[in-house]
Amino acid sequence: AQSVTQLDSQVPVFEEAPVELRCNYSSSVSVYLFWYVQYPNQGLQLLLKYLSGSTLVESINGFEAEFNKSQTSFHLRKPSVHISDTAEYFCAVTPAQRGKGGFKTIFGAGTRLFVKA
Amino acid sequence: EADIYQTPRYLVIGTGKKITLECSQTMGHDKMYWYQQDPGMELHLIHYSYGVNSTEKGDLSSESTVSRIRTEHFPLTLESARPSHTSQYLCATSGTSNTEAFFGQGTRLTVV
Repeated sequence: AQSVTQLDSQVPVFEEAPVELRCNYSSSVSVYLFWYVQYPNQGLQLLLKYLSGSTLVESINGFEAEFNKSQTSFHLRKPSVHISDTAEYFCAVTPAQRGKGGFKTIFGAGTRLFVKA
Repeated sequence: EADIYQTPRYLVIGTGKKITLECSQTMGHDKMYWYQQDPGMELHLIHYSYGVNSTEKGDLSSESTVSRIRTEHFPLTLESARPSHTSQYLCATSGTSNTEAFFGQGTRLTVV
């Protein structure tokens, strides 16, 4: 079975400051790792994902995340945030191959990023 | 342009009523999921389906039921709504490669 822990429930930050949202996971099998973003009254949207290859993955709006297998982490970072980045961010894992339990995606509790002017 | 449609977006209903939350997709995905989301809490998987006539209960026990008679539809039904069912319900799909989940906009249910 897999589990995901997001270490911060809320992260307030000033505009143009850097931010890191932390995510740790546990799994006995290989997994794919994801960050999803949820804006108010919306569903979740994929922000970025790690499947294989380079451990550093980037999104189109300046976020990046690094897969660290030894620390079982997948922290999300942005060097300079904007007001429009205010949203809830969810870290998620899913088995890379179907096993017992199938392909269920497991989500963390979410981190609310609040960018202040 | 949404490829996953959830209706209604918002629903306020009295205790004891039967309700069905609709989820439809035009992506042709075989896998579909229902998640329950409460403020500040992780998304809890309550039902999933890997194809037509295949449904399984998720990790969070739920009094709701689902059906998958057609690939495109995955409705969720509560036979008798209770205030404890008040929550947001999110429908999602994923394709064969399972490298991404696609979400609908959610249904916010309030049972009074």
